[in-house]
Amino acid sequence: NAGVTQTPKFQVLKTGQSMTLQCAQDMNHNSMYWYRQDPGMGLRLIYYSASEGTTDKGEVPNGYNVSRLNKREFSLRLESAAPSQTSVYFCASSPGQLNQPQHFGDGTRLSIL
Amino acid sequence: QKEVEQNSGPLSVPEGAIASLNCTYSDRGSQSFFWYRQYSGKSPELIMFIYSNGDKEDGRFTAQLNKASQYVSLLIRDSQPSDSATYLCAVAAFGGSNYKLTFGKGTLLTVNP
Repeated sequence: NAGVTQTPKFQVLKTGQSMTLQCAQDMNHNSMYWYRQDPGMGLRLIYYSASEGTTDKGEVPNGYNVSRLNKREFSLRLESAAPSQTSVYFCASSPGQLNQPQHFGDGTRLSIL
Repeated sequence: QKEVEQNSGPLSVPEGAIASLNCTYSDRGSQSFFWYRQYSGKSPELIMFIYSNGDKEDGRFTAQLNKASQYVSLLIRDSQPSDSATYLCAVAAFGGSNYKLTFGKGTLLTVNP
């Protein structure tokens, strides 16, 4: 039972490069989320998808795009990476009901030089 | 803006003692409350959730909620060195098309043998 799987686990980019972070869940969850975690800042929501076919901005969406490819997969794209986007990125999923928790993937550690 | 406040710590307790972690939140519409544990370099993992006023116990962990005071806490009894981690408080409320979690910045707990 894999839960939430994120790829890659580590990545180093140069400023201006683009890349897509992948996330897949096998729990048949409706909702999926992308967070970034920076020292002293806690977890901040970038984008979320309440259900297949919908996406919404979170607290810090600038510089990112997302795609909910199907119910299982939710990708995060950096079109032109900036050093300020150096962070640890977590994907999470949940059934979508208020009293049901989110389950997190192992994270992607992204460095932008 | 919805805020979730936690004492950043570090909170240091001796092995076998009770560790008390506190969290306050600003949004009176918040409906569910979650405690996550995060070991260094790892992803957050759910410990407990609570949505009714009062106490909820699960093994050595007790979550306490007081909606009137906008306060939620986590007690860890018989603390063990393996409990040393950062504890994240998360508060759920509806926003946009789904419920979203707002995370505190976390409290670092150190249990000394």
